[in-house]
Amino acid sequence: AQKITQTQPGMFVQEKEAVTLDCTYDTSDQSYGLFWYKQPSSGEMIFLIYQGSYDEQNATEGRYSLNFQKARKSANLVISASQLGDSAMYFCAMRVRNQGGKLIFGQGTELSVKP
Amino acid sequence: DADVTQTPRNRITKTGKRIMLECSQTKGHDRMYWYRQDPGLGLRLIYYSFDVKDINKGEISDGYSVSRQAQAKFSLSLESAIPNQTALYFCATSLSGGENTEAFFGQGTRLTVV
Repeated sequence: AQKITQTQPGMFVQEKEAVTLDCTYDTSDQSYGLFWYKQPSSGEMIFLIYQGSYDEQNATEGRYSLNFQKARKSANLVISASQLGDSAMYFCAMRVRNQGGKLIFGQGTELSVKP
Repeated sequence: DADVTQTPRNRITKTGKRIMLECSQTKGHDRMYWYRQDPGLGLRLIYYSFDVKDINKGEISDGYSVSRQAQAKFSLSLESAIPNQTALYFCATSLSGGENTEAFFGQGTRLTVV
């Protein structure tokens, strides 16, 4: 069975510093995709970044990068130069090719950025 | 206008009542999903649909039913609401295809069952 685990219920970071949000996944499939979504206090789900299982380079999108370690089955999100607006809930998710497009989510990590 | 629209945005209902949450999309996606979000549990999949004639149960479908009235519309029903169905509900859509297809979410429906 596929599973996503986020072990950090809450994290604090000082403004302008970098922070890493952990995500580990479990699947026996070779073809899968990993996603990170941000959920601010207003509730909407905002797509941040994607990493494919066959991608050799770590994905980057502006201040967001994904530290993909396939052998460890980890897909950690790195936010550089944190801003107050980064305070939100962050979800890691996985889609497996042979599972019909289901997107499976982790429990989430609540990030608070301190001024 | 939002690409994925959920109605209502907020709803308070009584135990035992039937309630329907509606989702419509203008993205032209064939796949639609219903999730519920509970604190500490993330988003859990209730039902998903690949097209109008293809509906599948997710991990927590008990107590829920769905209807895919058209490619653009996917409704979630609680036949007899109970308090532990109090949650934030999300509809999402995606294109068919591989594992790299992004999901697009509605703004959520906050449901309270009293």
